[in-house]
Amino acid sequence: DAGVIQSPRHEVTEMGQEVTLRCKPISGHNSLFWYRQTMMRGLELLIYFNNNVPIDDSGMPEDRFSAKMPNASFSTLKIQPSEPRDSAVYFCASSPRGPNTGELFFGEGSRLTVL
Amino acid sequence: GENVEQHPSTLSVQEGDSAVIKCTYSDSASNYFPWYKQELGKGPQLIIDIRSNVGEKKDQRIAVTLNKTAKHFSLHITETQPEDSAVYFCAASPYGQNFVFGPGTRLSVLP
Repeated sequence: DAGVIQSPRHEVTEMGQEVTLRCKPISGHNSLFWYRQTMMRGLELLIYFNNNVPIDDSGMPEDRFSAKMPNASFSTLKIQPSEPRDSAVYFCASSPRGPNTGELFFGEGSRLTVL
Repeated sequence: GENVEQHPSTLSVQEGDSAVIKCTYSDSASNYFPWYKQELGKGPQLIIDIRSNVGEKKDQRIAVTLNKTAKHFSLHITETQPEDSAVYFCAASPYGQNFVFGPGTRLSVLP
């Protein structure tokens, strides 16, 4: 079985540009999570979906960030406009049963650099 | 909300020695405590977890202990090997809520 698939693996962009990160969760998993990882703040939960519905977006830093999950096999995290402080590794993870109830399966991450 | 602290931030051990990483949490409602291992350039991967109705759990060279009264839990790796070198994260989660991760421990196993 393929794991969680994220794209792009690396993105370098200039301040003010729109960035779209993509995620394909493991088939059959009904929860999807977006995390951001930085040296200063560690792993931070941005948003999670259960059965394609956003449940908790309290971690989304500001209105420049938005996430969608149009179907069970695809999610996007969009940053518009991007800023240098958004530089981080963004991870998507999926889970078969939701938060707290078991293992999170992480993708390999999308490393974003905003110049 | 939950706050998870983790110590040490870096740990170097000789191959074959044991390594211990300790975490504390603040929310007494937390009842699920996973440990994740992150290798360079990869996403975190679950290595072991424990629930609050259990005090200790072991899987080969890895064990986790939990003290709910003191609100702390620890990861123990015995007979360390070079492939154990990675960043380890603890996490705590109240039932039905999301994990809060600790800041991580970079473990280096020296040959």
